[in-house]
Amino acid sequence: AQSVTQLDSQVPVFEEAPVELRCNYSSSVSVYLFWYVQYPNQGLQLLLKYLSGSTLVKGINGFEAEFNKSQTSFHLRKPSVHISDTAEYFCAVSRKYNQGGKLIFGQGTELSVKP
Amino acid sequence: GAVVSQHPSWVICKSGTSVKIECRSLDFQATTMFWYRQFPKQSLMLMATSNEGSKATYEQGVEKDKFLINHASLTLSTLTVTSAHPEDSSFYICSARADPEETQYFGPGTRLLVL
Repeated sequence: AQSVTQLDSQVPVFEEAPVELRCNYSSSVSVYLFWYVQYPNQGLQLLLKYLSGSTLVKGINGFEAEFNKSQTSFHLRKPSVHISDTAEYFCAVSRKYNQGGKLIFGQGTELSVKP
Repeated sequence: GAVVSQHPSWVICKSGTSVKIECRSLDFQATTMFWYRQFPKQSLMLMATSNEGSKATYEQGVEKDKFLINHASLTLSTLTVTSAHPEDSSFYICSARADPEETQYFGPGTRLLVL
């Protein structure tokens, strides 16, 4: 079975500061990795994903994440955040080669960007 | 591309009535659709997985007679909450994916309030 741990439930940060949202996963098989963002009262929007290839993945809104297989991590980073980045961020994994595609989500990290 | 819609976006109903929520993939054919439930300040809980033309697969603890799922076409899945009670009040989110794509695309969610 797979599990996902987002180490920080809340991350407050000032505008234009860098931010890292941490995600670790546990799995006995190879996985695909995803980061989604959820704005208040909305569904989830895909930020970026790692399926294969380069371990540094660039996504929308200036976010990037790096897959580290040895540390089973997929931390999300942005060099300079904006007020509009305030939202809930979810890390998720799914089993590779599993056509069912079930996603396992972390608990979420609330990013709060202050002026 | 990859847009998923949900209707209605919010609904208020009386206890004991049934409510139907629609999930549509607008610009792609969804071989698999997923239904999630989200409580305030919590992560998404997968309720069931549905494939077009076949019965839905429910997660452990989810009552299949209470949460009826129909995936009648490659662009439409419906979730019917039967005999709704106040404890069914929640935010329901659907997602869709198209084989062999590994990414799930999420709808905007439906907020259900049962009085």
